[in-house]
Amino acid sequence: GESVGLHLPTLSVQEGDNSIINCAYSNSASDYFIWYKQESGKGPQFIIDIRSNMDKRQGQRVTVLLNKTVKHLSLQIAATQPGDSAVYFCAENTLGGNKLTFGTGTQLKVEL
Amino acid sequence: GAVVSQHPSWVICKSGTSVKIECRSLDFQATTMFWYRQFPKQSLMLMATSNEGSKATYEQGVEKDKFLINHASLTLSTLTVTSAHPEDSSFYICSARASWGVETQYFGPGTRLLVL
Repeated sequence: GESVGLHLPTLSVQEGDNSIINCAYSNSASDYFIWYKQESGKGPQFIIDIRSNMDKRQGQRVTVLLNKTVKHLSLQIAATQPGDSAVYFCAENTLGGNKLTFGTGTQLKVEL
Repeated sequence: GAVVSQHPSWVICKSGTSVKIECRSLDFQATTMFWYRQFPKQSLMLMATSNEGSKATYEQGVEKDKFLINHASLTLSTLTVTSAHPEDSSFYICSARASWGVETQYFGPGTRLLVL
């Protein structure tokens, strides 16, 4: 259902620092995970994905870590820039499954 | 690659009118498209899954007669909000999954609907 007055968790970091955004998932059958970035008034933008047979995957300035034991996913952003300010969502799916389940999102604020 | 567009980007309409939103995959074929609704400071809520050439599958609590979905081709899906009311005001986002079988969904830029 919808929650009235829901506030997104916020992470504030200084420009140039590394950011770590965390996500807990609940479905132990999920085996495909994606991080999306959503800027205000725009649709989600694919950042990076990882399958459950991996525990780490690196992209350009971003790293996703997967801990299946505790059902935890994290997104690390190196040298955070003002343009990284956005809401970040994790999403999970089962391989071959048809639907993504989104987390609640984290607002990243980059301070100059 | 994997670009999804939506049209219009925003729309204001009077209560009781119907509004059609288009979702297009521009550089790939999408056998499956998804429609989401997002309220301020909240996550995306899946409304329905649309497969090309077949009826859409609606999530629990979403009225199929109010939110009409058509997926007539591999690059186009439409969402029609019929007899819109102020409570239908929201940010509507579509996504498309490529026909090559990868689970990644690519999202459109969203459509802001305001019903007066």
